[in-house]
Amino acid sequence: NAGVTQTPKFRVLKTGQSMTLLCAQDMNHEYMYWYRQDPGMGLRLIHYSVGEGTTAKGEVPDGYNVSRLKKQNFLLGLESAAPSQTSVYFCATETGTSGYEQYFGPGTRLTVT
Amino acid sequence: RKEVEQDPGPFNVPEGATVAFNCTYSNSASQSFFWYRQDCRKEPKLLMSVYSSGNEDGRFTAQLNRASQYISLLIRDSKLSDSATYLCVVNMPLGGSQGNLIFGKGTKLSVKP
Repeated sequence: NAGVTQTPKFRVLKTGQSMTLLCAQDMNHEYMYWYRQDPGMGLRLIHYSVGEGTTAKGEVPDGYNVSRLKKQNFLLGLESAAPSQTSVYFCATETGTSGYEQYFGPGTRLTVT
Repeated sequence: RKEVEQDPGPFNVPEGATVAFNCTYSNSASQSFFWYRQDCRKEPKLLMSVYSSGNEDGRFTAQLNRASQYISLLIRDSKLSDSATYLCVVNMPLGGSQGNLIFGKGTKLSVKP
């Protein structure tokens, strides 16, 4: 089992470009999350989903959109990238039934110049 | 008061030492508590959950003090492989729900030969 995978692993964007980060899981988990991690800031929740077809805003949603068309995939979109979105992005999954243990993907390192 | 607060360290200890990390949280209604471990440039991984009665897993002991809103992690007989950043994680209830997880910024541990 691959667990939680993220694509791509690294990306450099120019300001104003768009991109989509893909999170895929084969754990059959209901809940999926997108976090960003910046030096000195810890992990911050961007958006999350409690099931296929549902999404909700987290702590820092501005500038991002998400979709969960299939249970196993959670997409994070940047419509017009800004330097402030330079970060490491982690996807995480959770069963939704057994209390909060989250499994993380390996992360995507994004630089916006 | 910050939602989840940790001493950032670094804690530099020799092999075999005992080291303790503390964490405070702001919401007295929080019910779920965890310690995650994050190696350099890797994703966070669950180390252990923290239960009201305290719990132990090998060399690791976690304790919860609800009255003081305080969580601790004790590592005995430190190994070189324990070098990592340790994240304190707490759920933040919102309205009538248990809310999402809030991650502390982490405490960095470096174990030296």
